[in-house]
Amino acid sequence: KQEVTQIPAALSVPEGENLVLNCSFTDSAIYNLQWFRQDPGKGLTSLLLIQSSQREQTSGRLNASLDKSSGRSTLYIAASQPGDSATYLCAVKHQGGSEKLVFGKGTKLTVNP
Amino acid sequence: DTGVSQDPRHKITKRGQNVTFRCDPISEHNRLYWYRQTLGQGPEFLTYFQNEAQLEKSRLLSDRFSAERPKGSFSTLEIQRTEQGDSAMYLCASSLDRYEQYFGPGTRLTVT
Repeated sequence: KQEVTQIPAALSVPEGENLVLNCSFTDSAIYNLQWFRQDPGKGLTSLLLIQSSQREQTSGRLNASLDKSSGRSTLYIAASQPGDSATYLCAVKHQGGSEKLVFGKGTKLTVNP
Repeated sequence: DTGVSQDPRHKITKRGQNVTFRCDPISEHNRLYWYRQTLGQGPEFLTYFQNEAQLEKSRLLSDRFSAERPKGSFSTLEIQRTEQGDSAMYLCASSLDRYEQYFGPGTRLTVT
């Protein structure tokens, strides 16, 4: 059974700092991995998707990496801003027939002005 | 913006009542998913449709839950005889084939 773990559970940083969020998964037979952002009481916003054959994806100040063999992904946020404050979730889809995304519990990020 | 929409956004109901939620996916997406999220947890998969066919169901989807996607467009999720443990955010997502899943704003259910 796939399990996804995100560390740390919460992170507080001053504005302007670069930061890394971690995601690990137990079954390396994944099809893809997605990073999402969730604001309080809201739905999920997709940030980046990495296919299993890719090593990284970039969008603006965000860079996500994937090391499938070790079961790890990182989300790097450059020059953090107060507007980046949210919960960040990673989710994996299995290589086999299941279409479900398996999520971690998320990392709650607070960027202080 | 023609993203995923969900209705209602909030629902308060008394224990034992039936509730129905609606999800409208992105128009060209052939796959539709339902997830449930409780406070402090990541979303948990409930069920998935490809066009009008329900192809996967989680063990979380007890016999009180039923989902439909009658014409391969919008979907409904019904919960019968609601219980306090059903209180959660119900999230809908859609995708084109196995690609990126896009989520709606969710329906927050409170069972009193």
